[in-house]
Amino acid sequence: EVHLLESGGGLVQPGGSLRLSCAASGFIFSNYAMTWVRQAPGKGLEWVSAIGGSDGTTDYAGSVKGRFTISRDNSNNTLYLQMNSLRVEDTAVYFCAKSRSFDLAAVNYWGQGTLVTVSS
Amino acid sequence: DIQMTQSPSSLSASVGDRVTITCRASQGISKYLAWYQQKPGKVLKLLIYAASTLQSGVPSRFSGSGSGTDFTLTISSLQPEDVATYYCQKYNSAPLTFGGGTKVEIK
Repeated sequence: EVHLLESGGGLVQPGGSLRLSCAASGFIFSNYAMTWVRQAPGKGLEWVSAIGGSDGTTDYAGSVKGRFTISRDNSNNTLYLQMNSLRVEDTAVYFCAKSRSFDLAAVNYWGQGTLVTVSS
Repeated sequence: DIQMTQSPSSLSASVGDRVTITCRASQGISKYLAWYQQKPGKVLKLLIYAASTLQSGVPSRFSGSGSGTDFTLTISSLQPEDVATYYCQKYNSAPLTFGGGTKVEIK
């Protein structure tokens, strides 16, 4: 059974940094692209970033490019999102998600999410 | 970047009604479109991928159609457990943009 567990969320001041982690299990982690999606309070879904399976190709939304870095540790089945220069508008629940393939594709499994609050 | 526009933003229908949600891409995306269901307090769920392929385990009352720029998600007979917000997403290339969502309620 596929399981995705996010951690690392919390309260941070504007301009601060935070690193999210997503522990994955139940599938061959290195074979699949992984994605971060966020949802601001009361708002819709926003795609944030994705990383390829074994080649580690990365893509970012324009709103986070240059501030966020996605990475993965295939030996420990863990996905990361390093978030720097955080802004109030980055406040959201961040979901970790597994792609259906090694490349960009629909997401077939989601985590429960971790809340990031950026506030002074 | 390609924009994804969903309509309506909300709808209310009776149990047993046929419900249709549309998603329009600002440029052609072939069939690289997925539909997701989000219920309060529940994990997001993939319903449809490749515009019309039903994800395993999803009830057959859900169906998807379309290609290029215009897509639809249809619930053939609305059930109480279908109360949720539905999102489309393009995935032909980054950014993998979502539509704004459609909240479905029971009348």
